[in-house]
Amino acid sequence: GAGVSQSPSNKVTEKGKDVELRCDPISGHTALYWYRQSLGQGLEFLIYFQGNSAPDKSGLPSDRFSAERTGGSVSTLTIQRTQQEDSAVYLCASSVTKSGNTIYFGEGSWLTVV
Amino acid sequence: SQQGEEDPQALSIQEGENATMNCSYKTSINNLQWYRQNSGRGLVHLILIRSNEREKHSGRLRVTLDTSKKSSSLLITASRAADTASYFCATDGSNYQLIWGAGTKLIIKP
Repeated sequence: GAGVSQSPSNKVTEKGKDVELRCDPISGHTALYWYRQSLGQGLEFLIYFQGNSAPDKSGLPSDRFSAERTGGSVSTLTIQRTQQEDSAVYLCASSVTKSGNTIYFGEGSWLTVV
Repeated sequence: SQQGEEDPQALSIQEGENATMNCSYKTSINNLQWYRQNSGRGLVHLILIRSNEREKHSGRLRVTLDTSKKSSSLLITASRAADTASYFCATDGSNYQLIWGAGTKLIIKP
């Protein structure tokens, strides 16, 4: 597609439920990032995918968080047993290769856990 | 820990004035980027300056980089209401990660 596409744009879920957030990066971009941003805060790195290499999961805050990238394209971020502190905007971004290139962000998925 | 730190955290100016935001970082970099974020949604890339560059222009934007002081500034000239947004700097960390500052919230008053 023309840009990074994320869905859903907004999600309200009950505490304890699982959620899946989807990211469709720009075609041909091998690098894909997930970030989390709480209200009024900066970006918190979650996970990075580069081609077929093993992802860097060092930013995932707990084992309730996981992410996959199928076929080197679409990625899904899964949050299990959601907690209220998980409420944030989840931003996906992609770039041609690794750092040193411009990264392109999607519009984010607003997650509210009630 | 956070590499980039922007200051001020918030800036409110009149339309037409110039806005200057600063970013400091801690370790050596290959490049530094500035991004804009409207209303907590996706960030938009503004400009990238490489470590061997000292100044770069793009329209009403002027970015400077002082590697000896490990700092960069973003100047927006002749500000407009549409420039109201949060501005982030990002530096390239090890391998692939961009390291982000907490951002400067800019408000342009009409």
